[in-house]
Amino acid sequence: GQSLEQPSEVTAVEGAIVQINCTYQTSGFYGLSWYQQHDGGAPTFLSYNALDGLEETGRFSSFLSRSDSYGYLLLQELQMKDSASYFCAASSSGNKLTFGGGTRVLVKP
Amino acid sequence: EAQVTQNPRYLITVTGKKLTVTCSQNMNHEYMSWYRQDPGLGLRQIYYSMNVEVTDKGDVPEGYKVSRKEKRNFPLILESPSPNQTSLYFCASSRGNGETQYFGPGTRLLVL
Repeated sequence: GQSLEQPSEVTAVEGAIVQINCTYQTSGFYGLSWYQQHDGGAPTFLSYNALDGLEETGRFSSFLSRSDSYGYLLLQELQMKDSASYFCAASSSGNKLTFGGGTRVLVKP
Repeated sequence: EAQVTQNPRYLITVTGKKLTVTCSQNMNHEYMSWYRQDPGLGLRQIYYSMNVEVTDKGDVPEGYKVSRKEKRNFPLILESPSPNQTSLYFCASSRGNGETQYFGPGTRLLVL
């Protein structure tokens, strides 16, 4: 089956850097996505890695190592509005998308 | 405005009473999916569709049905709801595998 593991919770202060790791076991793996979800809201897309390496989008970066079945999301210059849950998700054949359990990020002043 | 809409947003029903949650997207996306979200379990894919009349099971399809007769609509059908289907449901659409998934606002379902 498909499974993704990520930490359940991370706490950091404003201005800090947080790295959320995600390890996956997925057959027919295409790529790794990251989504942000605020309490009471819908998930919103942050990034997608199909190839090994680092993708940078503003304060957020995402990394993938296919050989290690591992990726991470890097949140820099943390702001209070970054307090949310973050999900990694593995794409496989068709439109099959398997999500990790989510990492709750709490940003403190 | 590009969006995915779901109806209803909230629903309380009783065991065994058939219900349908509608999903519609205005972005001409080929791919659509349904997910349920439960505390501690993240989002789990119920069904997905790669195009009109093409649907496939996700990770938790038991107790659900879908149809894709038109590109823009992808309704989720619970023929005989049970309390273990109480959950938060999201519909999503995208242009293709790995492309950005656009999620609807969610439907919170309570089955008594």
